[in-house]
Amino acid sequence: QSVLTQPPSVSAAPGQRVTISCSGNISNIGSNFVSWYQHLPGTAPTVLISDNDKRPSGIPDRFSGSKSDTSATLGITGLQPGDEADYFCETWDNSLSAWVFGGGTKLTVL
Amino acid sequence: QVLLVQSGAEVKKPGASVILSCKASGYIFTSFYLHWVRQAPGQGLEWMGRINPGGGSTNYARKFQGRVTVTADTSTNTVYMELSRLTSDDTAVYYCARRVGAAIRGRFDPWGQGDLVTVSS
Repeated sequence: QSVLTQPPSVSAAPGQRVTISCSGNISNIGSNFVSWYQHLPGTAPTVLISDNDKRPSGIPDRFSGSKSDTSATLGITGLQPGDEADYFCETWDNSLSAWVFGGGTKLTVL
Repeated sequence: QVLLVQSGAEVKKPGASVILSCKASGYIFTSFYLHWVRQAPGQGLEWMGRINPGGGSTNYARKFQGRVTVTADTSTNTVYMELSRLTSDDTAVYYCARRVGAAIRGRFDPWGQGDLVTVSS
């Protein structure tokens, strides 16, 4: 059971917009910064968003992040077939003194 | 180009130990913490611990305290993670990842390619 809660799956058509939620509590998301990652099976995860809403160099602006209270959201616009992957969130947990992750959300581009 | 290259898949028997390596290149090895994260089949990611290669200090998740040891060799820019007293629950893909950013901010970037460790009798 992951500390951060994500929906197991989301789907949308090419060109559409999708959002993925990440829910935590005051000890983790409510007090700290959130990062988001894309994970294609058999490959290394890659960062999409850090510090809640910052895109590292090279990440297209189709990807966006936001945070409110104890939840965070990843948004992806202009969906492409190559966006099919698992997406997971990550933050620090003050109570556990550990980095914690969401269970991951599988995105299907219909 | 910043790269983390891991050692390769392992098969171990219950009760044994495994040592995984993660060789860093493309940046100043002693300037960034390196972390270990694992993902069991069908499960989410789980943080195991980290090392500051510059000074050698380590921090471990409570779940793995006493069973995991992370070390760094600054002569080869390589970090090692040893996990002892393996059980079938330790079957997972193990990743190393560099932490970029101040304190608990930032991101894991990049990640190694992952090593599958299978624990089976």
